[in-house]
Amino acid sequence: QVQLQESGPGLVKPSGTLSLTCAVSGDSLSSKSWWNWVRQPPGKGLEWIGEVYHGGTTNYNPSLKSRVTISIDKSKNQFSLTLTSVTAADTAIYYCARDTQYDNSWGFDYWGQGTLVTVSS
Amino acid sequence: EIVLTQSPGTLSLSPGERATLSCRASQSVSGNLLVWYQQKPGQAPRLLIYGASSRATGIPDRFSGSGSGTDFTLTISRLEPEDFAVYYCQQYGSSVWTFGQGTKVEIK
Repeated sequence: QVQLQESGPGLVKPSGTLSLTCAVSGDSLSSKSWWNWVRQPPGKGLEWIGEVYHGGTTNYNPSLKSRVTISIDKSKNQFSLTLTSVTAADTAIYYCARDTQYDNSWGFDYWGQGTLVTVSS
Repeated sequence: EIVLTQSPGTLSLSPGERATLSCRASQSVSGNLLVWYQQKPGQAPRLLIYGASSRATGIPDRFSGSGSGTDFTLTISRLEPEDFAVYYCQQYGSSVWTFGQGTKVEIK
């Protein structure tokens, strides 16, 4: 059974850096999956942040690209999110998710439970 | 960047009724990269449909997806009490995933 678990500070100060880690069990980060971060402001919709592949290749949401870094640590079977210069608008539930190929398509089939990060002084 | 617009914003229906949810893209989407999710309060999204029309593992056959190009539809043939939730479409293009804003299916 594949499981993803987010961890990190629940409170970050404005202009600071948000750092989260997603620990993966039941699958290897070296598999043919992409590993993603998605966020959801309270009461609002889903926003894709970015993804990383086991070789280190990344893709980011253009609206966040200048502030985001996603990295992978295969030795620990985890991947991480760093978001710099945060403001209140970055307050959200942050999810990590696995993107796997099905036939000739893709989908986010496993998700973490999500972690609420609040940006406030 | 492709923008996905879902309609209606809210759908008020009774159990047993048919639900039809729309997802319209600002540009043509590759059908094999159009996905649907269900999200219930306090839970992470759940994969329902991938490749526009293929059900994910364990998804009941009352859920079906269709469409191509810029117009896609999620249909729930007969609503069960557990189907009242928010539904999101998602697409991948030019190395970027985007989500629609969601459709809430609520009990009438």
